[in-house]
Amino acid sequence: KQEVTQIPAALSVPEGENLVLNCSFTDSAIYNLQWFRQDPGKGLTSLLLIQSSQREQTSGRLNASLDKSSGRSTLYIAASQPGDSATYLCAAPLSGSARQLTFGSGTQLTVLP
Amino acid sequence: EADIYQTPRYLVIGTGKKITLECSQTMGHDKMYWYQQDPGMELHLIHYSYGVNSTEKGDLSSESTVSRIRTEHFPLTLESARPSHTSQYLCASSIWAAEGSYTFGSGTRLTVV
Repeated sequence: KQEVTQIPAALSVPEGENLVLNCSFTDSAIYNLQWFRQDPGKGLTSLLLIQSSQREQTSGRLNASLDKSSGRSTLYIAASQPGDSATYLCAAPLSGSARQLTFGSGTQLTVLP
Repeated sequence: EADIYQTPRYLVIGTGKKITLECSQTMGHDKMYWYQQDPGMELHLIHYSYGVNSTEKGDLSSESTVSRIRTEHFPLTLESARPSHTSQYLCASSIWAAEGSYTFGSGTRLTVV
């Protein structure tokens, strides 16, 4: 069964810092890995999708990497801003299925002005 | 602009009432999901559907029920609401988790008093 873990659970940084959020998964036979953002009381918004054949994916100040062999993914946020404050979740497909995602518990990020 | 809609956005209701949370999507996705999320906690899958007239229970046991009579519509019903049902309910849809089409609604925050 796929299990997804995120460390740290919470992170507080001053504005302008670069930061890394970590995600680990137990079943490396994944089709892809996704990173989502969730603002308080809202739904999830997809940020980045990394296919299993890729090692990283970039969107603006965000860069996500994937290392299937070690069961790890990282989300790098450059030059953080207060507007980046949110919970970031990673998700991997359920073992043996491409029809469901297994979500980590998230990292709650606070960027202080 | 969201292509998956959840109503109501907020609901406060008395114990014992029957309620239906609505979820509709306009993307033609055949797979739909309901997640339950307590504040600051992880997502738990409570129901999913891979197509019309197909519904399954998720990892987290729930007293709610769902139906899928039309592709675009996946309502969740609680026959008799209790304070323990107080939570946020998130609906999502996808074509195929492998291609990253997972899309979430804005959620319904339910409070049972």
